[in-house]
Amino acid sequence: DAGVIQSPRHEVTEMGQEVTLRCKPISGHNSLFWYRQTMMRGLELLIYFNNNVPIDDSGMPEDRFSAKMPNASFSTLKIQPSEPRDSAVYFCASSSGLGAQHFGDGTRLSIL
Amino acid sequence: DQQVKQNSPSLSVQEGRISILNCDYTNSMFDYFLWYKKYPAEGPTFLISISSIKDKNEDGRFTVFLNKSAKHLSLHIVPSQPGDSAVYFCAAIDNFNKFYFGSGTKLNVKP
Repeated sequence: DAGVIQSPRHEVTEMGQEVTLRCKPISGHNSLFWYRQTMMRGLELLIYFNNNVPIDDSGMPEDRFSAKMPNASFSTLKIQPSEPRDSAVYFCASSSGLGAQHFGDGTRLSIL
Repeated sequence: DQQVKQNSPSLSVQEGRISILNCDYTNSMFDYFLWYKKYPAEGPTFLISISSIKDKNEDGRFTVFLNKSAKHLSLHIVPSQPGDSAVYFCAAIDNFNKFYFGSGTKLNVKP
């Protein structure tokens, strides 16, 4: 069975540009999570969805960040406008109820 | 403020010896704990977990210990192997199914 699929794997763009990160969760999983990993703060939860509904977005840094889950098999995390301090690795994870999350391989984002 | 803390950013151990990774938490409402392993350029992968009603869970070379009174969690790897070299994250789940991760400990197992 395919794991969590994230795209792109790498993104390099100039500050001010819009960035869209994509995630396909594992089929049958009803929870989806977006994380950001930085050297200073480790893994930070940005937002999570349950049955496509955003449950907790308290980790979203500011209004420049938005996330959607239009259906059970797809989610996006958008940054507009992007800034150099947004540079990090962004992970998507999914799970079915209580239990371990399965992570994608991440998107390494560099904002110049 | 971080509710799950891994105070050792790195650990170096000789092959064949025991590796002990530690984790502390502040929220007594956490009811499930997990350890993840992460290799470079890959996402974290689930390693082992423990429910708050237990104090020990073992899976092969990996054992997780939970001390609820001290709000402390540890992962023991015996014997350590070079392939165990990775970053290890501990995580806790609250009763809203929200995950809290520590900042990670980088383990280096020397041959």
